Amino acid sequence: GAVVSQHPSWVICKSGTSVKIECRSLDFQATTMFWYRQFPKQSLMLMATSNEGSKATYEQGVEKDKFLINHASLTLSTLTVTSAHPEDSSFYICSAREGTGLNYGYTFGSGTRLTVV
Amino acid sequence: QKEVEQDPGPLSVPEGAIVSLNCTYSNSAFQYFMWYRQYSRKGPELLMYTYSSGNKEDGRFTAQVDKSSKYISLFIRDSQPSDSATYLCAMNAGGGNKLTFGTGTQLKVEL
Repeated sequence: GAVVSQHPSWVICKSGTSVKIECRSLDFQATTMFWYRQFPKQSLMLMATSNEGSKATYEQGVEKDKFLINHASLTLSTLTVTSAHPEDSSFYICSAREGTGLNYGYTFGSGTRLTVV
Repeated sequence: QKEVEQDPGPLSVPEGAIVSLNCTYSNSAFQYFMWYRQYSRKGPELLMYTYSSGNKEDGRFTAQVDKSSKYISLFIRDSQPSDSATYLCAMNAGGGNKLTFGTGTQLKVEL
């Protein structure tokens, strides 16, 4: 089945630094990738949708200059949290959708736990 | 009002019990319905996928969709301790659009 690899699984960084999270589709080409944020005991909150080769579409309230998304290839998308602050500490999860027109191929990565100190 | 409502639980059941998890939604455009299982500190994994109204069975899991009532359910038969996780419903209108998630129900199956 489709596999999405997300790296790193956890990261601790100092306040003011930037952190990059990678999301790779290992055995399929992901035309669309989604980035979510999840707080403890809460559901997934969609941050942005990225299509290969084009700019990401951000959800309302998500700062695009703070959360930089790059989807340069069909198998790799990255999320960079710039100038991280403690309130950015959260669980970040990516999801990749295989193909076009298919609606069921949403595969999730294993998530990245970010702690900003 | 949220587009998708789901009882957050926690729900605690004895091993072997039948578990019923439910979601209600308000957007009549939703046609594709999914159930995901999420273990602590892991990404969600797809359990069941259904289109429109009806039932779908896969092993111990049965998904039901009632579009007229805007109500979906996931049943787990012969529940096992390994089923202990958070279960998230998700849905969209199709076309590869973004998924709308419920808040998730935390389930604990006790020995």
